[in-house]
Parts: sequence; structure tokens; C-alpha cells
Amino acid sequence: AIQLTQSPSSLSASVGDRVTITCRSSQGISSALAWFQQKPGKAPKLLMYDASGLETWTPPRFSGSGSGTDFTLTISGLLAEDFATYYCQQYNTYPFTFGPGTTVDF
Amino acid sequence: QVQLMESGGDVVQPGKSLRLSCSASGFSFGSYAMHWVRQAPGKGLEWVSVISFDGTTKSYLDSVKGRFTISRDNSKSTLYLQMNSLRLEDTGLYYCARDAGRKTIFGVIPYWGQGSLITVSS
Repeated sequence: AIQLTQSPSSLSASVGDRVTITCRSSQGISSALAWFQQKPGKAPKLLMYDASGLETWTPPRFSGSGSGTDFTLTISGLLAEDFATYYCQQYNTYPFTFGPGTTVDF
Repeated sequence: QVQLMESGGDVVQPGKSLRLSCSASGFSFGSYAMHWVRQAPGKGLEWVSVISFDGTTKSYLDSVKGRFTISRDNSKSTLYLQMNSLRLEDTGLYYCARDAGRKTIFGVIPYWGQGSLITVSS
């Protein structure tokens, strides 16, 4: 199975900061990568797909990039509501897999 | 709006069976692939299985192959996950989720239920 690693595993940030999270795949997955946000006690929320495609409800302060094996999620101008755990997910190859998550907190 | 509601979660002993259901509404259920994704307490997300819109294509996480079976009843707008030979490590919140692709498995998962908790414990 394709393994996804995320770095950092957690980070401390402040409102207004620019935050970048990295996801690395053990095999090339083209651009078949999604990003999710999850808050405690809530279902995951899709933010991005196809590495850089913004889901309709995702604010433009979120952006994604990458292809092949290396991907990034950037939050430009962190808001209080963005403190959460972020997961990447590949859908290039079965079984689909998620990264271990990156927690963004104060 | 898309609504997904899981049911069937319970506390079960190792080796026992359980069936989860997911009732869907707000969209044409028979046109979309559906997924199960789980999350162990305090842990990350783990994709479990997918079924195509017509039920002809299914895929599973390696650790559940041969034990779990995904199925659907399009006439009832309901997704199922039959789980046999349950193990301690199957404990978690099981989410039902809808694929983004119409009449295809895209793998992008925009819509999620709130989850159903399964606890495997002796």
C-alpha cells in the first residue's frame, strides 16, 4: 500500500500566520491527493482535491500544490477557526490511504 | 442537502460479527460510489472500503479483506458494511462517506456522516 507521511506532526501558530504542511507519498501518485480538515468530535471536511483544486466551500486562504510524491497545503493568514488536524489522502491506487495528520494549534 | 446517517454501532466481543448501515438522502444514491472510513479513538483516519454506484466494483483495506463485506441497496438508498471475525484493532468510529464522482469511483470524498462507534472488547 502507498504510505503517506506528513510533516510536521504538529505545529504551534498564531492568528495571521502563514502555515505550510507537507505530505510525501511512498510512490508517485500524480495529482491524486486530497486534503482534509478535522476538528475534535467532527467528521473530516474536504478542503482540496487533485492536489490544488479548491472544494467549493473552502476559503481561498487555503492552497495546495505538488505532484508525484511531494505535496503541500498552505494556509495564508491563519484564522482561529483553522486550528484543527489536517490529513492528506491519496486516491491514485487502492487501497486509498491517509497521512497520519498534522495538528495545528496555538 | 446530502445527508448520511450511520447506525448499527455496538460493543462486541472479538470474533463476533456486526453489520453497519448508512441511510442516505439528498442526492441520487444509486449514481454515486460510497466509502467506509474509520478512526480509532484518538488516532488518524483509515480508509476501509469502497463500492461503485452499481455495486459491481468493490475494494478493501488489506487488513479487512475476507472479513468485511461492503454492499448497497439502491432501492433503499442504504449502504452496508458486514463485519465478521472482529478484532480488537477494528475498534473505532466508522464513517459512511459519498464519493465525488457520478457513475465512477473518483476517490475524492466530500460528504461524510457523523460516524457509528464500534467497540471490540472482551
